[in-house]
Amino acid sequence: AQSVTQPDIHITVSEGASLELRCNYSYGATPYLFWYVQSPGQGLQLLLKYFSGDTLVQGIKGFEAEFKRSQSSFNLRKPSVHWSDAAEYFCAVGSPSGGYNKLIFGAGTRLAVHP
Amino acid sequence: AAGVIQSPRHLIKEKRETATLKCYPIPRHDTVYWYQQGPGQDPQFLISFYEKMQSDKGSIPDRFSAQQFSDYHSELNMSSLELGDSALYFCASSPPRPTYEQYFGPGTRLTVT
Repeated sequence: AQSVTQPDIHITVSEGASLELRCNYSYGATPYLFWYVQSPGQGLQLLLKYFSGDTLVQGIKGFEAEFKRSQSSFNLRKPSVHWSDAAEYFCAVGSPSGGYNKLIFGAGTRLAVHP
Repeated sequence: AAGVIQSPRHLIKEKRETATLKCYPIPRHDTVYWYQQGPGQDPQFLISFYEKMQSDKGSIPDRFSAQQFSDYHSELNMSSLELGDSALYFCASSPPRPTYEQYFGPGTRLTVT
């Protein structure tokens, strides 16, 4: 069965510092991978996605993620964090088989940003 | 750009009552998904519809049912509500293949008292 692990429940960084949020997935083949961001009480906004091709993908708000098949990882990075990046970040995996691609989410990582 | 619309945004019901949540997908999107997010939890997949037919089913209680209508909007019907049903309910939609990303609505916060 597919699963997603986000090892860090809570991360705190200083504004301007770099950020890396970890995500590991379990799936028999290459899955579709996503990162979403959720502000408190809000919906989920798609940051970026990986389906195939270039393993380094660029997203919105200056985020990028790198797919590493050998490590079953899809870590999210940002070179310089802004206070407005404080939110919860979810990694998700979708199955390319079975047609309709429900998403399996990780438990989320809550990001706090110190001024 | 148009987004997924959900109504109502907030709903308060008592135990054993019924609730109906509505979702209007992004125009020209053909698949709708429903997710449930409990407090401090990650979203859990409930059910999905492709071209008005149920396409996949997750951990949806038998007390819940859903359908997608001819205009592609979807409704989630929840009966015999329990305290544990209190959660954020998200609807998401995705465009026709070969794209697979899902775009989420703002959610409906259901509180059962």
